[in-house]
Amino acid sequence: AQSVTQLDSHVSVSEGTPVLLRCNYSSSYSPSLFWYVQHPNKGLQLLLKYTSAATLVKGINGFEAEFKKSETSFHLTKPSAHMSDAAEYFCVVTLGGQAGTALIFGKGTTLSVSS
Amino acid sequence: GAVVSQHPSRVICKSGTSVKIECRSLDFQATTMFWYRQFPKQSLMLMATSNEGSKATYEQGVEKDKFLINHASLTLSTLTVTSAHPEDSSFYICSARMTTGDYGYTFGSGTRLTVV
Repeated sequence: AQSVTQLDSHVSVSEGTPVLLRCNYSSSYSPSLFWYVQHPNKGLQLLLKYTSAATLVKGINGFEAEFKKSETSFHLTKPSAHMSDAAEYFCVVTLGGQAGTALIFGKGTTLSVSS
Repeated sequence: GAVVSQHPSRVICKSGTSVKIECRSLDFQATTMFWYRQFPKQSLMLMATSNEGSKATYEQGVEKDKFLINHASLTLSTLTVTSAHPEDSSFYICSARMTTGDYGYTFGSGTRLTVV
């Protein structure tokens, strides 16, 4: 079965400094991996996704993630944090190519950004 | 792009009553819809997978008689919380996967259920 582990429940950074949110995955097959963001009392927004194409994936708002099969990791990064980045981030996995396959969410990482 | 419309966005109900949540795919056919539940400050937990024209598949620990799922058409799936109790208060969100294009997932905007 596939799963994801988000290694940090809470990350705090200062505005303008780099962001690193860590995620490890477990999957018996070639996974599709996603990062979603959820702002307070809001729905989910897709940041980026990996679906077996380029291992370095660029997303919205300056975020990117690198798929490393040898390390079973899919860490999310951003060079410079902005106050508006404060939110809950979810690393998500699914088996690729099957319409009936649900997304499996990690426990989430709360990103706090201080001025 | 693909849109899933979820209603209501918020609902408050009394203990013992039932609440129906609807998710409609507006511009595509959703043969499969996924229902998630999110408790405050926690992650989304998959409750069930809804398939058009057949019975839903429930995840372990989810009471199928309490959380009734109906997927009668390719554009509508409903979740009914029956005999609601305060512990059912949660954020419920549906999701569907495109069967064409980039096979991306799209989410409803969620329903905040409060049982008093």
